[in-house]
This record gives sequence, C-alpha cells and structure tokens, in this order.
Amino acid sequence: AQTVTQSQPEMSVQEAETVTLSCTYDTSESDYYLFWYKQPPSRQMILVIRQEAYKQQNATENRFSVNFQKAAKSFSLKISDSQLGDAAMYFCAYRRLNTGTASKLTFGTGTRLQVTL
Amino acid sequence: DTAVSQTPKYLVTQMGNDKSIKCEQNLGHDTMYWYKQDSKKFLKIMFSYNNKELIINETVPNRFSPKSPDKAHLNLHINSLELGDSAVYFCASTPPFNTGELFFGEGSRLTVL
Repeated sequence: AQTVTQSQPEMSVQEAETVTLSCTYDTSESDYYLFWYKQPPSRQMILVIRQEAYKQQNATENRFSVNFQKAAKSFSLKISDSQLGDAAMYFCAYRRLNTGTASKLTFGTGTRLQVTL
Repeated sequence: DTAVSQTPKYLVTQMGNDKSIKCEQNLGHDTMYWYKQDSKKFLKIMFSYNNKELIINETVPNRFSPKSPDKAHLNLHINSLELGDSAVYFCASTPPFNTGELFFGEGSRLTVL
C-alpha cells in the first residue's frame, strides 16, 4: 500500500522569507502523481501544485515550487516570498496513474504553516 | 458557478440519529469520492463511484451507505450516528481525462452530540 509521510507537524516562516515543507512517500509503482494541497481555515482544499512522476523537471507555480527526487521518494514544497495568506495546513498527496478507474488520492498527515510578520 | 457543492455545510445532531449529506458536481466528471477528515486533520478515503458504480469501498462501518443516482451526484447516508462520526466529510470528483487531481467540495462538518 502507498503511504505518504510528512514529518513536520508545524512550521513557521516570516513574511517574505522562504520555507520548505517535506514529504516522503512509499510506492512500488513507477508512474504516479504527487500533489500539494492547501487547506486554509475556511477548510476548502486547494490544489497548490502537481508533479507527474515521469517528468524529471520540477513543477513550478509562481511562488511555489517542488523538489522531486524520484529515487529518494521525496517531494518537498518550497514557498518563496511567503505571504500572510499562505498560512494554512499543507497536505502532500499521492495518486497512482489512473490505469483503471479505482485510483484514490492518499494524503500525508499535514503540516501546519504559520506566517509571522 | 462550476464546482463541487455539498449540503449541508454544517450538521449538528444527536447520537443514534440518521443523517444524509448530499454532493453535486457540474464539472462533467465521472468519478466521485467521499473523504473523511478527522479531528487531527487526517484525510482518509471512504468511497468512490465511477458512473454510478461503486469502485472503492474502504473499511467503513456499514452504517455508512453511499448512493449515486447519476454520475453528477453522490450522497452519503449515515445511520445510528456515533460520537466518533464527528468529522468533516469532503466530496470530490475527477474528470475522465487523466490529470490526477481531485476537485473538492467545501466540506460538511458533522457534529454528533
């Protein structure tokens, strides 16, 4: 079974600084997706960034980028120029490539990010 | 607006009651899910339907019964509610083309007293 581990229950960053959230996963599959979702206090689940395992290039979305190390099964999220609105729970998630219809998203336990002035 | 919408957003009820949460998506997706987020924020899949057919059924008490009348709707009925059922329940959907991501509803917070 696939598992996703986020070893940092809480992180803190000052506004305008950079922070990196860690995620490791375990799978025997070679093709899969990795995601970072953000959950602010409003509890809405918001997709931050997506990475396809077959792509060697790290995904980037504005201030958000990932460091995807497939051999190490590591998928960290870097937030640059942190803003107050970045304060939220961040979930790392894994989904195997949809070779059929029964494919679920497996989440890590989350990292609560605080952004301070 | 195009979205995954859930009703009700909040639900407070007594132990032993039966309640339902409804979900609708107008994104044209063909696979829908129910996830449970517990008090520690852990998200765990409960069920998934593809074109009205149950395709994922995790270890969930049989007091929970999903129903999908069509591929745009997935409802969750819970019988004989227990204190431990208190959680946020998220509905989600994915499109038939393979982008991998799930589109989530806003969640329904269930409180059992």
